[in-house]
Formats: sequence, structure tokens, C-alpha cells
Amino acid sequence: GENVEQHPSTLSVQEGDSAVIKCTYSDSASNYFPWYKQELGKRPQLIIDIRSNVGEKKDQRIAVTLNKTAKHFSLHITETQPEDSAVYFCAASFGGGSYIPTFGRGTSLIVHP
Amino acid sequence: DGGITQSPKYLFRKEGQNVTLSCEQNLNHDAMYWYRQDPGQGLRLIYYSQIVNDFQKGDIAEGYSVSREKKESFPLTVTSAQKNPTAFYLCASGDGMDSPLHFGNGTRLTVT
Repeated sequence: GENVEQHPSTLSVQEGDSAVIKCTYSDSASNYFPWYKQELGKRPQLIIDIRSNVGEKKDQRIAVTLNKTAKHFSLHITETQPEDSAVYFCAASFGGGSYIPTFGRGTSLIVHP
Repeated sequence: DGGITQSPKYLFRKEGQNVTLSCEQNLNHDAMYWYRQDPGQGLRLIYYSQIVNDFQKGDIAEGYSVSREKKESFPLTVTSAQKNPTAFYLCASGDGMDSPLHFGNGTRLTVT
């Protein structure tokens, strides 16, 4: 199956700094890469996604980049705010005709005011 | 929020007992998934179902069972064979290829 590596496991920044979280995947057939945010005690929710025909996607302070050749993708958060503090998960898919998401282990982002 | 509902939110059981976690969705999604979340482990796939009356094992299916008799429902049974059942369980649904998952609020199971 798919293997997804996510780094770092913990990221601590000052408010206003940028944060970058990186993921690598193993299945070259993967073509959909979502990012989820999970606040403490809550469910994961999609914040941004990218498909393999696109190299970069941006939504306000959040951006995702994808390098299919190197099989890695990254989440970029600019001008971080305390409410960005959460656990972030990347995911990639495998399964040929099925969609079977495999998640990274998560990054705990802490934004200090 | 509506969409996908898990119940109960907290569940306590004695060791040796089977327990069933409920998951219902009204999003008309074909695919449903069960994940287990432990600190530092991310989300690990237990079982998934792409269509009614069909389901497949995920990476950590041992000690768990599921059924998919209706499109809306995908209950998970944690059996006494599961050696370390205490965890946070998340159910999710999706409409298939290249689309995001919608998660329920989770069930925190504690077995003593």
C-alpha cells in the first residue's frame, strides 16, 4: 500500500512567522493530495487540496505545492495566528480503481502569541 | 454539524466485551471508512467500504469487524480479540476518487 511520511512531528513558531510542513509518498499513481486540520478534541477538516495536474494552489494564507517527480508535497502557512494551532495531516491515495487515503502521522503546530 | 454522525461520543467497556460504534451519514456517499487515532500515530485505516454489502480490510483490521447493509450506515465492532482497543475512532465518508473525506466527531473508547 501507500506510505506517507510527514515532517516535522512538532512545529513551534511565533505569531506572524511562516510554517512549512512536508510530506512524501511512495505510490507514483497517487494523484490527489489533501491537507486536514484537526483542532483539539475535534474532527479533521479539509483545509486545502491539490491534484496532480497542478503544481501549486493557494487560498489566502495557505498554499500547497506538489512535486510529482520527487513525490513530495508541502503545506505553507504564512502570517501564522494562534488559531492556526492544531494538528495537520497530509494524505495520499492508493488503490488503483478505489480511493483509499493513507495519512501522514501528523504535525502539531503551535503558534505562540 | 450534520453530514456524518458518530455515536456515542464516549464509550467505556470492560475487557473481554465486544462493543459496536455507530456511524451514519446523510451525504449520499458511496465510500465509508473507519480510522483509529492514537497519539503520534496519525490516522490508521481499519476497514473501508466502497459500496453497500462490500468492505475491505485496512492496515489494522485484526480484532475488528464491520458491516455495510445500508448506504448510510457503517458500524464498527471492536471485539475482545483486539489487544489494545482503547483509542479514538473516526468514521469518514467520501464520494470516491480524488475527493476529500468528511469525518464524524469521533468516539473515544476506553476499555479497562
